[in-house]
Amino acid sequence: AQTVTQSQPEMSVQEAETVTLSCTYDTSESDYYLFWYKQPPSRQMILVIRQEAYKQQNATENRFSVNFQKAAKSFSLKISDSQLGDAAMYFCAYRSSNNNDMRFGAGTRLTVKP
Amino acid sequence: NAGVTQTPKFQVLKTGQSMTLQCAQDMNHEYMSWYRQDPGMGLRLIHYSVGAGITDQGEVPNGYNVSRSTTEDFPLRLLSAAPSQTSVYFCASSYRRGLGDEQFFGPGTRLTVL
Repeated sequence: AQTVTQSQPEMSVQEAETVTLSCTYDTSESDYYLFWYKQPPSRQMILVIRQEAYKQQNATENRFSVNFQKAAKSFSLKISDSQLGDAAMYFCAYRSSNNNDMRFGAGTRLTVKP
Repeated sequence: NAGVTQTPKFQVLKTGQSMTLQCAQDMNHEYMSWYRQDPGMGLRLIHYSVGAGITDQGEVPNGYNVSRSTTEDFPLRLLSAAPSQTSVYFCASSYRRGLGDEQFFGPGTRLTVL
């Protein structure tokens, strides 16, 4: 079964600075999808960004971008110009294209300091 | 659109009691799923459905039953609650089955089993 590992339980960043959250995964599949979800204190899960494994180009959504290294099975999230509203738990997730299984990492709690 | 709704928001049960967590979506999504979220473990997939009348097990299905009689509703049943089922439960839906589409999450149900 696929596993997703987030090695940083907690991270902090100064407002307006850049922070990178790490994620690695283990899979034998060649086609799959990767996601970053944000969970603020409200508990609502919000999609931040997604990446299709067959695409070489790294996904970008405004201040959020990923560094997808398929061979290394790495999928890090970079948040630029951090804002107070970025403070949340961030979950990395893997979804197979062959079945409906979806696996989440344990999460990284991001604190943004004013 | 209300999106994905879950009821109740909070529930306390005694060991051995049964209950149903309700989930509904008004987006005509084919795919619906249930997750549980425990501290330090991220989200884990319990059951999912790719359409009315079709359900399947996820990573942690034991102790839970589901059914999908309509496109809109996907209830999760606990037949005999155990303290190990104390968790936050999320329902999610997406338009297409098992692909890279965004999953929309409900607000969650916090369940405590005494």
